[in-house]
Amino acid sequence: AQTVTQSQPEMSVQEAETVTLSCTYDTSESDYYLFWYKQPPSRQMILVIRQEAYKQQNATENRFSVNFQKAAKSFSLKISDSQLGDAAMYFCAYRSAPYAGGTSYGKLTFGQGTILTVHP
Amino acid sequence: KAGVTQTPRYLIKTRGQQVTLSCSPISGHRSVSWYQQTPGQGLQFLFEYFSETQRNKGNFPGRFSGRQFSNSRSEMNVSTLELGDSALYLCASSLPGVEETQYFGPGTRLLVL
Repeated sequence: AQTVTQSQPEMSVQEAETVTLSCTYDTSESDYYLFWYKQPPSRQMILVIRQEAYKQQNATENRFSVNFQKAAKSFSLKISDSQLGDAAMYFCAYRSAPYAGGTSYGKLTFGQGTILTVHP
Repeated sequence: KAGVTQTPRYLIKTRGQQVTLSCSPISGHRSVSWYQQTPGQGLQFLFEYFSETQRNKGNFPGRFSGRQFSNSRSEMNVSTLELGDSALYLCASSLPGVEETQYFGPGTRLLVL
């Protein structure tokens, strides 16, 4: 079974600065997907960024980028030019490749989450 | 496109009652997954439905069940509610085999008294 670990329960950053959230995972699979989701106080889970394991290039979405280290099983999220609206709980999540079948269908495995506070 | 919708948004029940939650996926999405979120256990996978069939189930007791209709809308049911069932229930939809990303609804917050 896969596991996802977020070792930082809480992080804080000043507005306009950069912060990096850590995530490590454990899997024996070679093909999979990794995601970062954001959950603000409204509790709506919002997709931030996604990475396919077979792609060596790190994904980027505007101010959000990842550092994907497949061999180290590490998937960190970097938020540049932090804004007050970035304050939320951030979850790292793992999903098996679709052809893995069986107990992998439709299942995301989440880390424990990191609460990000942004100071003005 | 409209996002994933869930009804009701809030629910208060008493122990022993049953509850049904509803989820309407993004138009065209045929896979619906359900998750339970609690402060103690975090986010846990309940089950996944695709084309009206349950393809995967998490480690939850049989009191938790679900179904999916031909229009891809899904319901989950919890019978004989326990205090520990108080949680945020999230559903997510996706296009399996095409787009593996799951898009979440706003959740249903269930309080069991």
